[in-house]
Amino acid sequence: NAGVTQTPKFQVLKTGQSMTLQCAQDMNHNSMYWYRQDPGMGLRLIYYSASEGTTDKGEVPNGYNVSRLNKREFSLRLESAAPSQTSVYFCASRTGTTNEKLFFGSGTQLSVL
Amino acid sequence: AQSVAQPEDQVNVAEGNPLTVKCTYSVSGNPYLFWYVQYPNRGLQFLLKYITGDNLVKGSYGFEAEFNKSQTSFHLKKPSALVSDSALYFCAVRDLGSGGYQKVTFGTGTKLQVIP
Repeated sequence: NAGVTQTPKFQVLKTGQSMTLQCAQDMNHNSMYWYRQDPGMGLRLIYYSASEGTTDKGEVPNGYNVSRLNKREFSLRLESAAPSQTSVYFCASRTGTTNEKLFFGSGTQLSVL
Repeated sequence: AQSVAQPEDQVNVAEGNPLTVKCTYSVSGNPYLFWYVQYPNRGLQFLLKYITGDNLVKGSYGFEAEFNKSQTSFHLKKPSALVSDSALYFCAVRDLGSGGYQKVTFGTGTKLQVIP
């Protein structure tokens, strides 16, 4: 009964370093999302994937790339981290429209120094 | 483009009193509307949704919300607040009329503080 699993939970990077945030869901959902949460800004959509093999930009895609590896996994990559990317990152997956809701992972707290 | 506005950063209410957390939205087509709650150091949890049908929807923990198409609002309500309701509440929308209809957009969140 895992739901949405995100790794790592915490990460500290130096400016310019790269890293990949991993996300996996075991609910057979088609749609998956990456959000960042910043104080006063709410949740802002970075990228989303409507189905396996497709990805689309959200509100704040600059500085990020994503991969929908298969139906279960949706990873977020920071190629060259910047202090402005310090944030809490959430992955989510969405059920179909008959009982629509998002299921969220527990988040990754990322600090870029 | 779809958007959500939560005009209040924080709402304070006394325990036992009714509470309202406001949300307005902007879409080009028909909206799917949602409320989520976030407790400290946790991910978001689903509270309730409006997709179609009755304008008054009921959700978890005694919360309800009223869809008002003419005012483009979807305010969250509860008749009697509990201290345990204190949390961060997010309104969200999915715009079925836009090209990116799979996007789910969130508001900035409203911190609810229930005072004992």
